[in-house]
Amino acid sequence: DAGVIQSPRHEVTEMGQEVTLRCKPISGHNSLFWYRQTMMRGLELLIYFNNNVPIDDSGMPEDRFSAKMPNASFSTLKIQPSEPRDSAVYFCASSPRGDGPLHYNEQFFGPGTRLTVL
Amino acid sequence: GEDVEQSLFLSVREGDSSVINCTYTDSSSTYLYWYKQEPGAGLQLLTYIFSNMDMKQDQRLTVLLNKKDKHLSLRIADTQTGDSAIYFCAESYSTLTFGKGTMLLVSP
Repeated sequence: DAGVIQSPRHEVTEMGQEVTLRCKPISGHNSLFWYRQTMMRGLELLIYFNNNVPIDDSGMPEDRFSAKMPNASFSTLKIQPSEPRDSAVYFCASSPRGDGPLHYNEQFFGPGTRLTVL
Repeated sequence: GEDVEQSLFLSVREGDSSVINCTYTDSSSTYLYWYKQEPGAGLQLLTYIFSNMDMKQDQRLTVLLNKKDKHLSLRIADTQTGDSAIYFCAESYSTLTFGKGTMLLVSP
């Protein structure tokens, strides 16, 4: 398997522009996660899906951020309009099982998208 | 809510042992994890421990869990320059909660 695939790997855009990040999870995985990583705040969970349904989006910073998972093999994270403080590395991860403290919960991470908003 | 804390930086010399520490808050976590992030890459699972264990050894890696104090540690024996990376501790509640990561720098 190719692992979790993210595109683009790098994105440079100007403030105010719309940005769309894409993710293809590992085939057969039930859960998909979007994270943001910065030096200041570390790794933050933005939103996660179970069986294509958003379960918890409490980590989404503002209404400018939205995520969709139209099918089991594709998800997008959109920022509209983008701001310089959105500059970060955005990771997508997938997991074969549902969540919860009783579950062994290995998440498989993609290589990330480095976003720079000028 | 859940919170996971780690020291931010550790520097060791090649061949020494490294110990990375982590504290967590959620006593209901059944599994605790260590992930490794190499430069320019995503996180990869390194090892994990089930909460009814107090120690797990896997080659050069030793995980110690003190459930009473909610303290987790990762010991890397005979640390190599290739071990230089960021190490994340994580606990599992509804989702994984990661610490901010400890940057391990191994010098020759």
